[in-house]
Amino acid sequence: GESVGLHLPTLSVQEGDNSIINCAYSNSASDYFIWYKQESGKGPQFIIDIRSNMDKRQGQRVTVLLNKTVKHLSLQIAATQPGDSAVYFCAETPTGANSKLTFGKGITLSVRP
Amino acid sequence: GAGVSQSPSNKVTEKGKDVELRCDPISGHTALYWYRQSLGQGLEFLIYFQGNSAPDKSGLPSDRFSAERTGGSVSTLTIQRTQQEDSAVYLCASSLGWGGLDTQYFGPGTRLTVL
Repeated sequence: GESVGLHLPTLSVQEGDNSIINCAYSNSASDYFIWYKQESGKGPQFIIDIRSNMDKRQGQRVTVLLNKTVKHLSLQIAATQPGDSAVYFCAETPTGANSKLTFGKGITLSVRP
Repeated sequence: GAGVSQSPSNKVTEKGKDVELRCDPISGHTALYWYRQSLGQGLEFLIYFQGNSAPDKSGLPSDRFSAERTGGSVSTLTIQRTQQEDSAVYLCASSLGWGGLDTQYFGPGTRLTVL
């Protein structure tokens, strides 16, 4: 698999490979983190979330890792499929901030057949 | 069940005109949010409604922008005297509103183009 920070706008992976999308956040008060997937012409779709009292959470083919020490969040997609092609956003919110989310700029995942 | 719906899906208007964008949240969700997404950018928070509390308007970019939520359900975002820089996709999201840390579900958005 390949990994890239949000400062690089596009990640291209081969179908079947694992994908790793990274996100750095700056607000140390943030304690709830979410990954969204956005397909062309659609609204963001919730993928997986994690709270700050955890460092790893797994879903179906996806895993989110949280490293609070370095304020880093990553999304791992196993066996990437063409349907995974989309823009991925990380989002964060601190406790008590009425769930107002701060989004990263997003990265495009392109899956090569 | 039904998700968040928004209307219209696309809106083209002339500079200086007013526009209204509508959001129907998921039934039972007490929290409603508006975000703006400019081309190739992330989402920018605009306004947040929670139950009967005063809305958090801290993200509204100017006084030309306003929003209301009637009866704790449907919300309307109004942009007065539209400018070309208002062109963007306007996204609405809703959540259960429990304790401030719950998942937001998004609608498909309204694409606004100001000519």
